[in-house]
Amino acid sequence: DAGVTQSPTHLIKTRGQQVTLRCSPISGHKSVSWYQQVLGQGPQFIFQYYEKEERGRGNFPDRFSARQFPNYSSELNVNALLLGDSALYLCASNVLSQHGYTFGSGTRLTVV
Amino acid sequence: DQQVKQNSPSLSVQEGRISILNCDYTNSMFDYFLWYKKYPAEGPTFLISISSIKDKNEDGRFTVFLNKSAKHLSLHIVPSQPGDSAVYFCAASARTSYDKVIFGPGTSLSVIP
Repeated sequence: DAGVTQSPTHLIKTRGQQVTLRCSPISGHKSVSWYQQVLGQGPQFIFQYYEKEERGRGNFPDRFSARQFPNYSSELNVNALLLGDSALYLCASNVLSQHGYTFGSGTRLTVV
Repeated sequence: DQQVKQNSPSLSVQEGRISILNCDYTNSMFDYFLWYKKYPAEGPTFLISISSIKDKNEDGRFTVFLNKSAKHLSLHIVPSQPGDSAVYFCAASARTSYDKVIFGPGTSLSVIP
């Protein structure tokens, strides 16, 4: 079975640009969460979606948005990129009634 | 405000010895705790978890201990192996918000052959 897949794996963007990151959850998982991991820190919660509805949002500015599609895949969008948005963006899926996630390998975003 | 703390950024242990990774939390609403392991260029992988109704959970070489009164948990790895070298994240969630798992900053474990 395929795990959580994320694309692209690496991305370089210029300040002020917009970026879209994609995630496909494990088959049967209807919940998708997004995390940002800055070097030297733990993953920080950005969003959680279940059945296309936003169920949770972390302490991130409105430049960050996400959505979930009928097939439960998800996109994370970041507008007006700042240098500080450079990080590893992790997608995770789970069965909502269960604790714990399965993570993808992440998208490494570099803003220059 | 950091709700999950891992005060040791790094730890070095000889192969075959015990590795003890510590974690403290501040939010009394947390009732489920997890440990994840992360290798470079990979996402975190689930290692072991414990519910607040227990004080110990064991899975092979890995044991997690929970001290609720102290808001402290620890992960013991016995015996440590070079392949255990990775960053270990302590994480916690609350019954009221299964969908939001809060991670600590991680401890980098090096197991020396």
